[in-house]
Amino acid sequence: GAVVSQHPSWVICKSGTSVKIECRSLDFQATTMFWYRQFPKQSLMLMATSNEGSKATYEQGVEKDKFLINHASLTLSTLTVTSAHPEDSSFYICSAREGREGPNNEQFFGPGTRLTVL
Amino acid sequence: SQQGEEDPQALSIQEGENATMNCSYKTSINNLQWYRQNSGRGLVHLILIRSNEREKHSGRLRVTLDTSKKSSSLLITASRAADTASYFCATVFSGGYNKLIFGAGTRLAVHP
Repeated sequence: GAVVSQHPSWVICKSGTSVKIECRSLDFQATTMFWYRQFPKQSLMLMATSNEGSKATYEQGVEKDKFLINHASLTLSTLTVTSAHPEDSSFYICSAREGREGPNNEQFFGPGTRLTVL
Repeated sequence: SQQGEEDPQALSIQEGENATMNCSYKTSINNLQWYRQNSGRGLVHLILIRSNEREKHSGRLRVTLDTSKKSSSLLITASRAADTASYFCATVFSGGYNKLIFGAGTRLAVHP
């Protein structure tokens, strides 16, 4: 149980195009989903927190118009990188948390999406 | 920055040896978690230790937490080549959406 999937697993796009990444909780309902980005050999940096049916909360320094997050259902959140540029190339990872928002509730991570912008 | 620090940044050992990684953080936490990440892959949750716990075991893993020093350690005993990965600590701070804040990570290489 507690499986989170991401699609696509990798994507290559041209500069200026938009890319959508999906994050799905396959066997549980995710009240909250998180989006992270990770540069090579670096740690995960939290980009935003999204709760189903409400606007995402972005971390300081993350452009909300650049990284559009939609959490329309309890099993799906999407991250759209708009007008992508080479500096947006990164590994994007989502996580999902089920149940109540207790601090000890585990987050389950997706396998990640590698974005390369040419 | 809330992000914690980990040391060492990289660790290279032989199979059978123990590996110890340390994590420090800056503010009060609800819990601290350790994750493993193989190169280019997602994260695997290893262990969660609550702020009122001092030590926890899971198989070959032993985690300690010292809230007075705001630090934690992960010990992997009798390491195997398959343990080669990056290891991250992550803390859950009070307030907000109980989000995870990750440390910088330790890259562990276990040589046969």
